[in-house]
Amino acid sequence: SAVISQKPSRDICQRGTSLTIQCQVDSQVTMMFWYRQQPGQSLTLIATANQGSEATYESGFVIDKFPISRPNLTFSTLTVSNMSPEDSSIYLCSARKETQYFGPGTRLLVL
Amino acid sequence: SQQGEEDPQALSIQEGENATMNCSYKTSINNLQWYRQNSGRGLVHLILIRSNEREKHSGRLRVTLDTSKKSSSLLITASRAADTASYFCATDAKGYQKVTFGTGTKLQVIP
Repeated sequence: SAVISQKPSRDICQRGTSLTIQCQVDSQVTMMFWYRQQPGQSLTLIATANQGSEATYESGFVIDKFPISRPNLTFSTLTVSNMSPEDSSIYLCSARKETQYFGPGTRLLVL
Repeated sequence: SQQGEEDPQALSIQEGENATMNCSYKTSINNLQWYRQNSGRGLVHLILIRSNEREKHSGRLRVTLDTSKKSSSLLITASRAADTASYFCATDAKGYQKVTFGTGTKLQVIP
């Protein structure tokens, strides 16, 4: 199994600013993922983060808006850049070990 | 975009009744997973079924998979008020490591 923690758990930000979310896994994993969940909706995959290579982004998500770092096999960050109210959402980090495990999420509110 | 569609979108039952949720997906898969999400909380992994399996049980949960119809069902027997949550199916397509989520079913169990 894998235990995943995220920081911050929640934040309120002003439009135009950026927020970096940190994700820590308690064991080494090859693949990490970032998802977004808008209120009352399902999860949408933003990108896949592999250690040692650039993240792979899904349609509708770009690196300039959501830069991702993956410096080692237990850690990743997602930055939400130049935020607008439409970015208000829950951002979830995930890691794959046959089963896919999820962090508790970061609740972001952009004013 | 969502790989899966879930049906029904919402379900309300009395405590003690059984709840059945269905998931349909579009492409060939390696595995299908079911998750539960309580309101405002993180995702809890319930069960994983491989593409070569047809049925799996875990406690009060029974999952079936029909790859010819590209569909799965989750049955919760003898439901409890604590089962009230959103339930999501998630699939990883053959040849890919990423997991994409269905639209979800909101289950309400009335005491």
